Amino acid sequence: GAGVSQSPSNKVTEKGKDVELRCDPISGHTALYWYRQSLGQGLEFLIYFQGNSAPDKSGLPSDRFSAERTGGSVSTLTIQRTQQEDSAVYLCASSLGHGNEQFFGPGTRLTVL
Amino acid sequence: AQSVTQPDIHITVSEGASLELRCNYSYGATPYLFWYVQSPGQGLQLLLKYFSGDTLVQGIKGFEAEFKRSQSSFNLRKPSVHWSDAAEYFCAVYGQNFVFGPGTRLSVLP
Repeated sequence: GAGVSQSPSNKVTEKGKDVELRCDPISGHTALYWYRQSLGQGLEFLIYFQGNSAPDKSGLPSDRFSAERTGGSVSTLTIQRTQQEDSAVYLCASSLGHGNEQFFGPGTRLTVL
Repeated sequence: AQSVTQPDIHITVSEGASLELRCNYSYGATPYLFWYVQSPGQGLQLLLKYFSGDTLVQGIKGFEAEFKRSQSSFNLRKPSVHWSDAAEYFCAVYGQNFVFGPGTRLSVLP
């Protein structure tokens, strides 16, 4: 079966523009996570979705960041009015349930000029 | 609150030598514990996990890890390192949420 996919793989944008990053989780996985990995850094938790429950948004760094998950499957992470400090690799992961092994996508490398 | 520390930012070992990567966590109960590897240009891959039971767990690629409750540790080991093991290694803890450590970069000398 297919793994977690993310698109685009690379995104270059200008400061102040909005961007949307997409994640397609593994079919049947109810939990979906977004992380941010800055150059040479560990993973910074952003948000997670579990089934139909309200998402845990506690890791979102500012109100410029938002995410949604439609139909319990595909998720989109939106960054409004991008700043240079938003430049990072954004990773998506899914799992059978919260606390289970996470399967990671290849990431989207975002560069804000 | 949960936290994870990986005291070693960068480790260099010779090919064929043994390896131990340290991971310490802080949590009020026994969490679920994971080790992931991120090879250059690759996504994160699970090496092994501990949920309960035997405190010595075996993973892929010849890795193992031992959970020591008294030390709040979950150190990763490999008896003989291969050049292809050069990568970034992340320890992760799940208690109420997932928390990843800052990572340890492993370099392997020929």
